[in-house]
Amino acid sequence: GAVVSQHPSWVICKSGTSVKIECRSLDFQATTMFWYRQFPKQSLMLMATSNEGSKATYEQGVEKDKFLINHASLTLSTLTVTSAHPEDSSFYICSARGPSLNTEAFFGQGTRLTVV
Amino acid sequence: AQSVTQLDSHVSVSEGTPVLLRCNYSSSYSPSLFWYVQHPNKGLQLLLKYTSAATLVKGINGFEAEFKKSETSFHLTKPSAHMSDAAEYFCVVSDRPGGYQKVTFGIGTKLQVIP
Repeated sequence: GAVVSQHPSWVICKSGTSVKIECRSLDFQATTMFWYRQFPKQSLMLMATSNEGSKATYEQGVEKDKFLINHASLTLSTLTVTSAHPEDSSFYICSARGPSLNTEAFFGQGTRLTVV
Repeated sequence: AQSVTQLDSHVSVSEGTPVLLRCNYSSSYSPSLFWYVQHPNKGLQLLLKYTSAATLVKGINGFEAEFKKSETSFHLTKPSAHMSDAAEYFCVVSDRPGGYQKVTFGIGTKLQVIP
């Protein structure tokens, strides 16, 4: 299947700093990218959906000013956690999908964020 | 409304015995259904998907699932469990209300395989 690369795989940062997570589709054009957050022993919660060249659509309860999403090209989307707090510590996963309807979304390997 | 219910949060089987992970869904549209597997601290890997073709879907690693519209179910099965199958499994429903793709994950089922 197609490859989605997420970087970094883990990051530790201090409270109040910002962290950027990258999600790249390596061998296909990702017209849509999804960002998920996973708390321990819980399922993935969709945070936002972004289409290339457009503003991201955020799910209810997700602060768009805190979780900045950029999808400027067909192969790269970034999630920036601004002014991180310890409660932002979580596992963040991106997925990317091509332009065809009903095609599967391919997942990145995830980023473990720890805010200290 | 769209929802996914994974009926068991934890399943334990002996190596070599059958695996059954249950999933029920709700969708007002013609949904696509997926099963993903997640090993610890790893991303998700697609096991199989149903997208309105054959109702019995075969996936990787010997897994299969049957779409039963009358029962709104999409249970995942494997005839014989292997130690490497120990992981967390997510059932996922996707549909397009109003043209906007919506995806919902189940809570996940942790599969334990006992030697």
